[in-house]
Amino acid sequence: DGGITQSPKYLFRKEGQNVTLSCEQNLNHDAMYWYRQDPGQGLRLIYYSQIVNDFQKGDIAEGYSVSREKKESFPLTVTSAQKNPTAFYLCASSITSQGRQPQHFGDGTRLSIL
Amino acid sequence: DQQVKQNSPSLSVQEGRISILNCDYTNSMFDYFLWYKKYPAEGPTFLISISSIKDKNEDGRFTVFLNKSAKHLSLHIVPSQPGDSAVYFCAAVAYSGAGSYQLTFGKGTKLSVIP
Repeated sequence: DGGITQSPKYLFRKEGQNVTLSCEQNLNHDAMYWYRQDPGQGLRLIYYSQIVNDFQKGDIAEGYSVSREKKESFPLTVTSAQKNPTAFYLCASSITSQGRQPQHFGDGTRLSIL
Repeated sequence: DQQVKQNSPSLSVQEGRISILNCDYTNSMFDYFLWYKKYPAEGPTFLISISSIKDKNEDGRFTVFLNKSAKHLSLHIVPSQPGDSAVYFCAAVAYSGAGSYQLTFGKGTKLSVIP
């Protein structure tokens, strides 16, 4: 089945630690995205990538980093500089970012601080 | 400043009746709109979309209406079913430069369909 796989589903982080959230897609999509959702809030864009080896900051990129070394993979690192990392993180992909195409989402990773 | 607003955090509807979810936007550069449905602990799934050159798009029980002059869109679900109970997000697309388009989401409306 084609889709987007995010792992782990739940993640706990100690203060001062960096953690990496995995996102893999087998849809052959060029564009990938990371969003953050807080309770009662819409989705806010952290980073996006239009193509391999390229990525752009979204609205709330501070304290996060990404890489796009392979088309299928777009991992997100939540660094210790992110002061309020507790949230639900969603990865998405679309065929390209050059058009009005629906984004397909993974099932998310819930990150909590210990 | 919220560019996409869903002013009703929740909505309850009887099974078989019509559900109407509303969305307002402020950015006149938005030219494509989507509705997503989200169950707890899952990612959103795409439901239906509409281009700004249309005022209506229909897909089975789901119809989206767009009123550009009022900067308002709505999602109608007829008839509503218990399985429709979920959070519905309105999203709008605008060109963001460098050949890419960005999606802006509303905060969502939680729909409960009562059997």
